[in-house]
Amino acid sequence: DQQVKQNSPSLSVQEGRISILNCDYTNSMFDYFLWYKKYPAEGPTFLISISSIKDKNEDGRFTVFLNKSAKHLSLHIVPSQPGDSAVYFCAASADTSWGKLQFGAGTQVVVTP
Amino acid sequence: DSGVTQTPKHLITATGQRVTLRCSPRSGDLSVYWYQQSLDQGLQFLIQYYNGEERAKGNILERFSAQQFPDLHSELNLSSLELGDSALYFCASSGPGGLAGPNAYNEQFFGPGTRLTVL
Repeated sequence: DQQVKQNSPSLSVQEGRISILNCDYTNSMFDYFLWYKKYPAEGPTFLISISSIKDKNEDGRFTVFLNKSAKHLSLHIVPSQPGDSAVYFCAASADTSWGKLQFGAGTQVVVTP
Repeated sequence: DSGVTQTPKHLITATGQRVTLRCSPRSGDLSVYWYQQSLDQGLQFLIQYYNGEERAKGNILERFSAQQFPDLHSELNLSSLELGDSALYFCASSGPGGLAGPNAYNEQFFGPGTRLTVL
């Protein structure tokens, strides 16, 4: 049962433009959401997170938006840079799960010059 | 460098065999997590240990087991290996301690992974 879904397996964007990655979830108990970035041959790296009490969190070029009623979150990267080319995973956690993260399948982002 | 180390980097073995994957968490982290990433799949949570004790279990097969030792390193044991066990296995660590609340465990730091190939 896939509780976190990333329906776009890949995204191609031009350097300098905005990248928008989407993530949907089904479990209403999730209250903390994270985005991880993964380069080939490396482990995932934490990027940004958001608690369910917020609808937006910003960190430099990265902004995560949360729409609880739609059970949807998105990651915006502005402006996109070639170094952003990676696989991005959305993850979610419920308050009682103490770190048991549910991951989406990932979106491969390619930033072209 | 996340501070989490995993050995070996690659492992090639045959069906029916048993292997042990090792993980050393970041200094000071008490929680260790194991994840499996099969081809084109997201990371699947297997199991979590906190300060030597099992805390949470995911879809971990009975053929798989793990433990966390007093020095906080962890080992994941995979036995009676099947072709379908071929995957990347990641270890992650987190946890400043229980006082920070459940969400403090969410920002996990991942090791580089062990790629297991079962032939």
